[in-house]
Amino acid sequence: NAGVTQTPKFQVLKTGQSMTLQCAQDMNHEYMSWYRQDPGMGLRLIHYSVGAGITDQGEVPNGYNVSRSTTEDFPLRLLSAAPSQTSVYFCASSSGQHNSPLHFGNGTRLTVT
Amino acid sequence: DAKTTQPNSMESNEEEPVHLPCNHSTISGTDYIHWYRQLPSQGPEYVIHGLTSNVNNRMASLAIAEDRKSSTLILHRATLRDAAVYYCILSTDTGNQFYFGTGTSLTVIP
Repeated sequence: NAGVTQTPKFQVLKTGQSMTLQCAQDMNHEYMSWYRQDPGMGLRLIHYSVGAGITDQGEVPNGYNVSRSTTEDFPLRLLSAAPSQTSVYFCASSSGQHNSPLHFGNGTRLTVT
Repeated sequence: DAKTTQPNSMESNEEEPVHLPCNHSTISGTDYIHWYRQLPSQGPEYVIHGLTSNVNNRMASLAIAEDRKSSTLILHRATLRDAAVYYCILSTDTGNQFYFGTGTSLTVIP
């Protein structure tokens, strides 16, 4: 099993450009989520999904869109990138039970200039 | 969102036990206590979780206070590879919204 796979690993964008961060899991997990981590800080929840077709906002959703058309994939879209979105982004998944552990990807490091 | 409080940093000598504390005074009866750790330049990884009873696994032990308002992650014999940021998190039964704080940065001294 590959677990949680994030692509790309690194990305540089100019202000105003758009892009999609990809996240895929092969564990048949119902729950998926996106976090961002800024230097010296913990992880902040951006969006999450409890199953295909269902998404909801976390702590810091502004500037980001998500969709969940399949169980496996949970892409994160930046429609108009801003320097404040420079961060490391982590995708995570779990089986959906609240006593189930989260499985994280290795992250995407995004720089917006 | 359920909140936890952890010290910003701790140090331990190599091969000695480490006790990482976490306060969660607003915990509700069905909240699970999870611990994750994040090694440099990696995503967080699951360490252990529990509800009421103390828990042991190959990585660590989790000691939960009787009133569940605090818990302690115990690394029985710290190694240099245990140097990481450790996060204590509560998960609720209203949804899988894991809220991470800033965690405890553990330094292991050779």
